[in-house]
Parts: sequence; C-alpha cells; structure tokens
Amino acid sequence: GAGVSQSPSNKVTEKGKDVELRCDPISGHTALYWYRQSLGQGLEFLIYFQGNSAPDKSGLPSDRFSAERTGGSVSTLTIQRTQQEDSAVYLCASSFAPGVEQFFGPGTRLTVL
Amino acid sequence: QKEVEQNSGPLSVPEGAIASLNCTYSDRGSQSFFWYRQYSGKSPELIMSIYSNGDKEDGRFTAQLNKASQYVSLLIRDSQPSDSATYLCAVEPNSGTYKYIFGTGTRLKVLA
Repeated sequence: GAGVSQSPSNKVTEKGKDVELRCDPISGHTALYWYRQSLGQGLEFLIYFQGNSAPDKSGLPSDRFSAERTGGSVSTLTIQRTQQEDSAVYLCASSFAPGVEQFFGPGTRLTVL
Repeated sequence: QKEVEQNSGPLSVPEGAIASLNCTYSDRGSQSFFWYRQYSGKSPELIMSIYSNGDKEDGRFTAQLNKASQYVSLLIRDSQPSDSATYLCAVEPNSGTYKYIFGTGTRLKVLA
C-alpha cells in the first residue's frame, strides 16, 4: 500500500512569508507526528495527533508554528512569518497506534532566504 | 530532560564484518525502542522495533535490549556497503505522551 506522502518536496520562501506543508498518512493510521531535522542534527519533535484527541503541541518552537489534522487524516503544518532558522527538513510520520512503529514520509525541505 | 545518546561515529567496518551500534537512554521507564536507518538526504526508514528485554532477530539485523542497564543495541551481520548510512535510535519514554525521543545517530561506513 501507499506510504506516508508529503508535499511539497522542496519549498524555497522569503523571510517573513507564510508556508504550508502537507502530510498524508498511511490509511488507517490513527497517530500522526511532525518532526524537524536541521542539517546534521537529530529529529526534533514538533506535534503529535492521535485520533480525535487534542494534539500534543508541546514541541512547537514558537507561536508562529501551528498544525491541524482534518478528518483524522491529512495534516497541514503552517509556519507564519518564516525566519531563516526555520530552514530544515520537516518530516511527517504516522503509526497504526500510539507507542508502535512510526513510518516516515519523504520530508519537505524548507529553505528560508 | 529525557535523553537518548549515541556515538556519532563514523563507525567503520570491513565488508562482511559485524557492525555493532549502541544507544543509551535516561528514562528508566521507557517502554518502546526503535532503530531507523537514514541515508544521506533521505528520510528515516524503520529497521526494527523491540519492546522486551533480550534479543530480536530479523534477517541480518539483531536488536538487543537491556532495560536494567538502559541500553539498546543493533547488530548488523555480514555488513554490506549498502548498509552505510546513519542509524537512529528512538525511544518512547514512559510519559504516556508518545513523544518519541531520537538520538542524533551513528554514522556507519562499510568498507568494500
């Protein structure tokens, strides 16, 4: 079956612009995660969705970052007023249930000029 | 601060040898442990999960978990040049929040 998909694969934007990153999880997966990976760094947790529960937003670095998940499926990560330090690869992962294996999408490489 | 630590490497092994990758974690109550492989410029790919003490084998890969000593390791037998990648250890702390903590990874180089 299809894996996790993300779009766009690459996004170049100017400082101060807003960007939207999309994630389509594996069908039937109830848990969805967003991570950020800066060059040569580990994965930084951003936000976690589980079913219809309130998301765990504790990893969002600032109030410029927000995410939503519509209908328990597709998720959108929005970064407002982008800054150069937001440049990174944004990875989405999904899992069948909390606490089990996560499967990653190909990521979106964001470059803020 | 819950932590997951890995030696950054690079760990260089000759082709055909056993590569041993180690990971330690700070939260004694951690329940779930995962190994991912990440090729340069690509996203992490799940290799194995392990949830209970002992060994778990899958093909050329063996994961070993020792909760008392708070470490998890990954053995790769008959290493191939295609195994050259960064290996990430991930731990689910016993926090009930399912916020997996990833190590920064060990870079493995298998020399032909």
